Amino acid sequence: DQQVKQNSPSLSVQEGRISILNCDYTNSMFDYFLWYKKYPAEGPTFLISISSIKDKNEDGRFTVFLNKSAKHLSLHIVPSQPGDSAVYFCAARLFQGGSEKLVFGKGTKLTVNP
Amino acid sequence: EPEVTQTPSHQVTQMGQEVILRCVPISNHLYFYWYRQILGQKVEFLVSFYNNEISEKSEIFDDQFSVERPDGSNFTLKIRSTKLEDSAMYFCASRAGGTSPLHFGNGTRLTVT
Repeated sequence: DQQVKQNSPSLSVQEGRISILNCDYTNSMFDYFLWYKKYPAEGPTFLISISSIKDKNEDGRFTVFLNKSAKHLSLHIVPSQPGDSAVYFCAARLFQGGSEKLVFGKGTKLTVNP
Repeated sequence: EPEVTQTPSHQVTQMGQEVILRCVPISNHLYFYWYRQILGQKVEFLVSFYNNEISEKSEIFDDQFSVERPDGSNFTLKIRSTKLEDSAMYFCASRAGGTSPLHFGNGTRLTVT
């Protein structure tokens, strides 16, 4: 049951360039989308989110784009820095019957080379 | 900045034994969660907890699993009789409410031998 898919297990970019991480989803009931960053031996850390009624949210170097008709979202990091090297998880919120949960993708490992 | 803390960081147990994983969520948060990540796989939802009761649980969260908030600060996950396939990183998370994001702890690595 892959409701949230991150089809690229890894991505490598040069420092200073743009990193684009992609995520696709299948469930149209998701109302909120989040990106988490995870370093080894740590828990996921919240990065940025977007409501399903918006198509863009920007926070510093990080921008998330949502294309609801295509059920696709992407995270842009500009400019990329070596410290951005981590696993990035896309997550979608499902709110049903008064309870909610996050459904995660498998993650994309980003490596930013100096 | 307040954070979710989990103990122990690593737990090794024998198959069939009971384990209790402990979490201290962020103090003003109202919603509590357990997720797990088997090595090489995705982060999976286990259970959500609000107002002193389970609000949702996944198929993974069978009768061997239970959660408890014994006091105003701790949130525990108990596995009554561990199996080899329970070996995973277990993450506790909490959030304040509304559309606030989940804040995760650093996880407990459970190894069942």
